[in-house]
Amino acid sequence: DAGVTQSPTHLIKTRGQQVTLRCSPKSGHDTVSWYQQALGQGPQFIFQYYEEEERQRGNFPDRFSGHQFPNYSSELNVNALLLGDSALYLCASSFGPGLSSGNTIYFGEGSWLTVV
Amino acid sequence: RKEVEQDPGPFNVPEGATVAFNCTYSNSASQSFFWYRQDCRKEPKLLMSVYSSGNEDGRFTAQLNRASQYISLLIRDSKLSDSATYLCVVNSLILTGGGNKLTFGTGTQLKVEL
Repeated sequence: DAGVTQSPTHLIKTRGQQVTLRCSPKSGHDTVSWYQQALGQGPQFIFQYYEEEERQRGNFPDRFSGHQFPNYSSELNVNALLLGDSALYLCASSFGPGLSSGNTIYFGEGSWLTVV
Repeated sequence: RKEVEQDPGPFNVPEGATVAFNCTYSNSASQSFFWYRQDCRKEPKLLMSVYSSGNEDGRFTAQLNRASQYISLLIRDSKLSDSATYLCVVNSLILTGGGNKLTFGTGTQLKVEL
């Protein structure tokens, strides 16, 4: 049973460039959430996708956008990269947008983005 | 005030010690609660869910106090392999859109030493 897979695992970009990160959810899961984790911080919620729509969004600028495909996989796009966008980007999947103690969320190994 | 606040750490404890982590949350509408463990440069992994009645999983005991908006994690007989960052996580259901959002604390680093 494949877990959550993310690509690429590491990448380096220059300020002002654009980046696309990809995520395939765990088998049987239909909801994907994206998180940004800066060094020394906990993950911060970016947005959640369910039924190919952005359902919820955290406090991130419009430079951060996403997409969910019919097979439930998802992309995170960041435009006009800033040095402060350097972080670990985590994708998490679950079954359905609601979450309870019985419906846990699983994380991928993340994509390390360095902006120089 | 942060939505989820944790002890700053790091906690350096000898092997075999008992260590307790505390966490408070500010959103009274929060629905479910978790402790996640994160090893260095790895993704967070669910350690245990937290219930009002308290729950235990081997050496780990978690407790939730909804009135005080307080969550705790107790690790007994700590092992070297327990060294990691422990993240307090609160799930809130968002009324508009029907989604949910996990809010993480900044994490508390635990180092278990010989």
